[in-house]
Amino acid sequence: EVQLLESGGGLVQPGKSLRLSCGASGFTFSSYAMTWVRQAPGKGLEWVSSISGSAGGTYYADSVRGRFTISRDNSKNTLYLELNRPRAEDTAIYYCATLQGGTLFRYWGQGTLVTVSS
Amino acid sequence: QTVVTQEPSLSVSPGGTVTLTCDLSSGPVSSSFFPSWYQQTPGQTPRTLIYDTDIRSSGVPDRFSGSILGSKAALTITGAQADDESDYYCLLDVGRGIRIFGGGTKLTVL
Repeated sequence: EVQLLESGGGLVQPGKSLRLSCGASGFTFSSYAMTWVRQAPGKGLEWVSSISGSAGGTYYADSVRGRFTISRDNSKNTLYLELNRPRAEDTAIYYCATLQGGTLFRYWGQGTLVTVSS
Repeated sequence: QTVVTQEPSLSVSPGGTVTLTCDLSSGPVSSSFFPSWYQQTPGQTPRTLIYDTDIRSSGVPDRFSGSILGSKAALTITGAQADDESDYYCLLDVGRGIRIFGGGTKLTVL
C-alpha cells in the first residue's frame, strides 16, 4: 500500500525558514517524480514544485521560485520542501504527491499545515 | 501570467448531466497539456478522477468522463449522485515542467 506522510509543518515567523518532509513507502520511491501542492485556508489547490525521480530536474511555481527549494533523498525515501523567507501568503496545507507523466498526481499524503505569522 | 479558468460554481439535479470546463488564458487546451481532474470534499485530500484527458483513475465510476470540448478540457458527470457534491479542480501541464491548477468548480447537487 502506497503511503505518503508529511511532517514539519507548524508556525513560522515571516523571513525564517522551515523544512517540510514527506516520507514514502509502498512503492519504489526513486522511480517516481514527486510534487508539492498547497491549499491556503478556504482557497483552491496550487501546484508548488516538482522534482524528477533522480532529482535531476526541479520545477517551481512563479510564486515560490527563488524562495523554496525542493529536494529528495532516495536512500531515505523522503521528499523535502525548504521554505525560505516565507510570507503570510504561504500559509497553507502542504501536500506531497506522486507525479506520473504530465499531471497525474495519483497518490497524496494527508498534508501538513504551515502558518506564517509573527 | 498564464491562468487556468473554471466555472466557480455549477449545479445539477440528481440523475442529471453536467459538464465542467477548463480554459487556458494563453490559448486552446489540447491533449498535449495532459489535462487531469481532481475531486475534493471539504477537509479531505484530493482524489484523482481523470488524467491524460480521458483516462479514469482506478476505482472511479464510469459516470465521470473527460474530453476536449472545443478549446477547453472538460469533465462530464452523467447521472449525478448526491455524493458528487464536491469541489473539482483541473490541472494542466503548460510546459517547461510547470503545472497550473484551475481555480476550482464548486458543484452542488440539488
